[in-house]
Amino acid sequence: EVQLLESGGGLVQPGGSLRLSCAASGFTFSSYAMSWVRQAPGKGLEWVSAISGSGGSTYYADSVKGRFTISRDNSKNTLYLQMNSLRAEDTAVYYCAKPGTVTTPGGFDLWGRGTLVTVSS
Amino acid sequence: AIRMTQSPSSLSASTGDRVTITCRASQGISSYLAWYQQKPGKAPKLLIYAASTLQSGVPSRFSGSGSGTDFTLTISCLQSEDFATYYCQQYYSYPQTFGQGTKVEIK
Repeated sequence: EVQLLESGGGLVQPGGSLRLSCAASGFTFSSYAMSWVRQAPGKGLEWVSAISGSGGSTYYADSVKGRFTISRDNSKNTLYLQMNSLRAEDTAVYYCAKPGTVTTPGGFDLWGRGTLVTVSS
Repeated sequence: AIRMTQSPSSLSASTGDRVTITCRASQGISSYLAWYQQKPGKAPKLLIYAASTLQSGVPSRFSGSGSGTDFTLTISCLQSEDFATYYCQQYYSYPQTFGQGTKVEIK
């Protein structure tokens, strides 16, 4: 079955760290750039970060640059997001997302169910 | 970063209505634009990519048009299951960006 399954969310104090994982199945994971997208409670979608299929190129939103690190393990078909120096405004549901084609980085045709990250003392 | 501005932010419509949502990019993005539908508590669903290509399995009442900076999502005959929030997204350049969303509500 073609799917993405996120894990690793939870409650963390401001300044703390968390690592999210996204397990992929049913498609050739290493062929696709992958992204993380988040949604704060009651708010819109925010693209967070992306990584090329090989892992050699990474991209970040200004709001997380220097604090978050995206990575992937193609041997395990897994995407990661290491989140450090967390702030209250990072509270959101975090989705991993796959583009519809191997040649474009967007137009996400496959999304996970999301994992909730809550930053609060 | 490229700013994506959707209008309206919300609208009220009745079943059977024709609905149009617009998305404007702060700079040209060619046709690197996608439209999504999101219902409460669910992940977004891809409707349109490359500005006008209908995603497999999406009803033909949905259509997209535009290129450059101005784009439109049209629902030709609104159905009850179409009441949701819609987002545009540019993937022309990083950082990718989404519009703020358009909530389609029942009149």
